[in-house]
Amino acid sequence: GAGVSQSPRYKVTKRGQDVALRCDPISGHVSLYWYRQALGQGPEFLTYFNYEAQQDKSGLPNDRFSAERPEGSISTLTIQRTEQRDSAMYRCATRTREMNTGELFFGEGSRLTVL
Amino acid sequence: LAKTTQPISMDSYEGQEVNITCSHNNIATNDYITWYQQFPSQGPRFIIQGYKTKVTNEVASLFIPADRKSSTLSLPRVSLSDTAVYYCLVNNAGNMLTFGGGTRLMVKP
Repeated sequence: GAGVSQSPRYKVTKRGQDVALRCDPISGHVSLYWYRQALGQGPEFLTYFNYEAQQDKSGLPNDRFSAERPEGSISTLTIQRTEQRDSAMYRCATRTREMNTGELFFGEGSRLTVL
Repeated sequence: LAKTTQPISMDSYEGQEVNITCSHNNIATNDYITWYQQFPSQGPRFIIQGYKTKVTNEVASLFIPADRKSSTLSLPRVSLSDTAVYYCLVNNAGNMLTFGGGTRLMVKP
């Protein structure tokens, strides 16, 4: 696609429910990153993939959070048993290469609200 | 991992040049320095990237001294629309791209 696409754009859920956030990268982009951003804060790194391989998941807050990218394209971030503190904007970003250069292209984000 | 430190906020006036400095004392040999701009309700957007000396593009310049322990983003003749948060990133060797708190630039008329 023309840009990084994230869905849903807005998600309201009740505490204890599971949610799945989807990221559809720019075609051909190798690296895919997930961030979480609270209001007034910088993006907080969660995890990233090169192709289908999850390279680093050290930023995932706890074991309720998981991510996958099974075919090296679309990625899903899953939060199980959501809690109110999980409420935030979740941002996906991708780039063309797996090396340490090149710009990240961000999607518009998925705003999660846990009641 | 290289950690970055930058001022929390800056004020400027339209037409002035703005320089935002970021320190990254633990930068590694292979690390690049990248700056992003973020407007409210939008994702960060790439501005400029460099390794050493000076890089210039149509929107900004990036100055990196020889020791590479800091970098300065220079925005020439800012306008009201440059009001945003600016982030300095160091591309870690492991490619875990970590954003700091950023610098909130307020451009006043």
